[in-house]
Amino acid sequence: SQELEQSPQSLIVQEGKNLTINCTSSKTLYGLYWYKQKYGEGLIFLMMLQKGGEEKSHEKITAKLDEKKQQSSLHITASQPSHAGIYLCGALRGGTSYGKLTFGQGTILTVHP
Amino acid sequence: DADVTQTPRNRITKTGKRIMLECSQTKGHDRMYWYRQDPGLGLRLIYYSFDVKDINKGEISDGYSVSRQAQAKFSLSLESAIPNQTALYFCATSGSGGLETQYFGPGTRLLVL
Repeated sequence: SQELEQSPQSLIVQEGKNLTINCTSSKTLYGLYWYKQKYGEGLIFLMMLQKGGEEKSHEKITAKLDEKKQQSSLHITASQPSHAGIYLCGALRGGTSYGKLTFGQGTILTVHP
Repeated sequence: DADVTQTPRNRITKTGKRIMLECSQTKGHDRMYWYRQDPGLGLRLIYYSFDVKDINKGEISDGYSVSRQAQAKFSLSLESAIPNQTALYFCATSGSGGLETQYFGPGTRLLVL
């Protein structure tokens, strides 16, 4: 199994609906990053969480970090077609892995107008 | 202009050929990274460099080599390309602090026939 598991792997929603994507780590997190990728394009940085209980927002996207569960959730409110793409979480570890990101497999989001 | 550029954007090559993918950045970052993306596997780290004199293997370095020509340039070579190296390749850069964000290039789509 992967160090970083995302769920669901894919998601299809109707425009205007809310949705949540989860990212669970099997190892201690030093930092957790969320990126968005349009199909075949580069990754766009959304936000970074470090402290347990931390919550950040970027337009209609909110991410939280549950340090106890080693899990982060990404919530989109009132989804729009522009939210469609692949969402990836990346974990920053300490120790010998310092400075490197380990990514989840991604969640493919489709938003139907 | 984009902060992280990759050339070429698309490349088709034949098995056994040597190819080079190039990455340049104007962000003034010391750290640079090469990843590959395959469907369902997220991004996996190939090589990374924390400064011009520092080169390190990532989790999937076999069959690849890199060169850090300058702070702003980091190239990835496939010495003898094989079909399972068909993937989307990304370069990324970051600063040298503890929780620096990685910024990604637009990617190079490589097809090995």
